[in-house]
Parts: sequence; C-alpha cells; structure tokens
Amino acid sequence: AQTVTQSQPEMSVQEAETVTLSCTYDTSENNYYLFWYKQPPSRQMILVIRQEAYKQQNATENRFSVNFQKAAKSFSLKISDSQLGDTAMYFCAFPFRAYGGSQGNLIFGKGTKLSVKP
Amino acid sequence: DTGVSQDPRHKITKRGQNVTFRCDPISEHNRLYWYRQTLGQGPEFLTYFQNEAQLEKSRLLSDRFSAERPKGSFSTLEIQRTEQGDSAMYLCASSLASFKHRGNTEAFFGQGTRLTVV
Repeated sequence: AQTVTQSQPEMSVQEAETVTLSCTYDTSENNYYLFWYKQPPSRQMILVIRQEAYKQQNATENRFSVNFQKAAKSFSLKISDSQLGDTAMYFCAFPFRAYGGSQGNLIFGKGTKLSVKP
Repeated sequence: DTGVSQDPRHKITKRGQNVTFRCDPISEHNRLYWYRQTLGQGPEFLTYFQNEAQLEKSRLLSDRFSAERPKGSFSTLEIQRTEQGDSAMYLCASSLASFKHRGNTEAFFGQGTRLTVV
C-alpha cells in the first residue's frame, strides 16, 4: 500500500533559524511528484514546494528547499530564516495515481505542526 | 479568478439531516477533488472529477455521500442522514490536467467547509 509518514507531530524553531521537517513514503511508481503543503490556522492549504521524482536536483523555492532521496523514499523540507508567518501545519503528499501526470489525487501524511517563536 | 471557492464555510446540522456543500473551482481547471480532513489528521481523498465525469470514489465515500459536477464547472457534495462521525472539514481542490501538452498543475485548495453534526 502507498503510504506517507511524517514522524514529527510538532516542532518549534526560533525566528531566523533553520528547521527541517521529515517525510518518508512508499510507492511502487517510478515517475511521480512529491509535495509539501502548508496549512496556516483557519486558512486554506497552499503549495510550498514540488519535486519531480525523475529530477535528481533538489527543488528550491526561496527559503524552502527539499532533500529528496529517491532510493530511501525520503523527502524532507528545510525552511531557512524561519519567519513568524511560517507557523502552520505542514503536510507531505504524493499522488496515489501517477497516470497522466496527475497531481491532485493525493495521499497526505498526518502533518507536522510548526511553531515559529519570536 | 480568486481561486477555489467553497460555500458555506461553516455548517452546523442535526444528526439525520441532509447537507449540501458547493465548490467552485478555478475556471480553467478540468479536474476537481473532494477531501475530508478530521482534527489532527491530513486530508483524505474522497472523490474526483475530470470535467463532468466522476472517475474515482474512495471507500470512505459511503452510500450516504453523493457528489456531482454538472457541466464540468462547480461541484456539489451531499451527505444524507448525517451522523456525528461526519463532522469534519470538507476540502475541495482543482487542477489542470492536460495529457496533450503536459500542462499539468498542482492541486489548488479551497478554504473548506467545516461541518459539525450535533
């Protein structure tokens, strides 16, 4: 069965510091996307960063970067220079149907609640 | 386009009543997804549409649940004879899937409808 595991239910970090959120997954697919979504309190879920499995280079979006280890099925998110606005639930996800490049049929992990402290 | 819109934002209903939620996707998106999110958990896939066709339903979608997407635009999710276990956030998302041009996008989420069954 395809699964996503986020082993850190809660984490905290001081403002301006760096934090890494971990995610492992299991799939038999070879080409797929991996995602980190952010869900701020009482606000909608937004995409933070996306990685295509066939690309060896790790994705980067401003202060957010990933460490993608395909063989280990590991997909961690690093947030540099943490800001108060980064406080949110973070979900790791990947499509359970990879056909047609589908990016919306997602399995989510249970999430990591990140608190950025001033 | 202001993104994925869901209505209502909150719904309180008595057990046994029927409820209907509406989702308006991003206008050019041909795929629409429904998810359920309970407290402290990641979203769980319920069903999805490509245009007006409902292509997949999760086993979580019991017979009391029905979803439609007439004309491939907005979608409705109806829950009949609500139970307390139906209390959750119901999320809608949309994406563009283009097999021809591989113009696939990630899923964009709405703010959700929070259902409380009393």
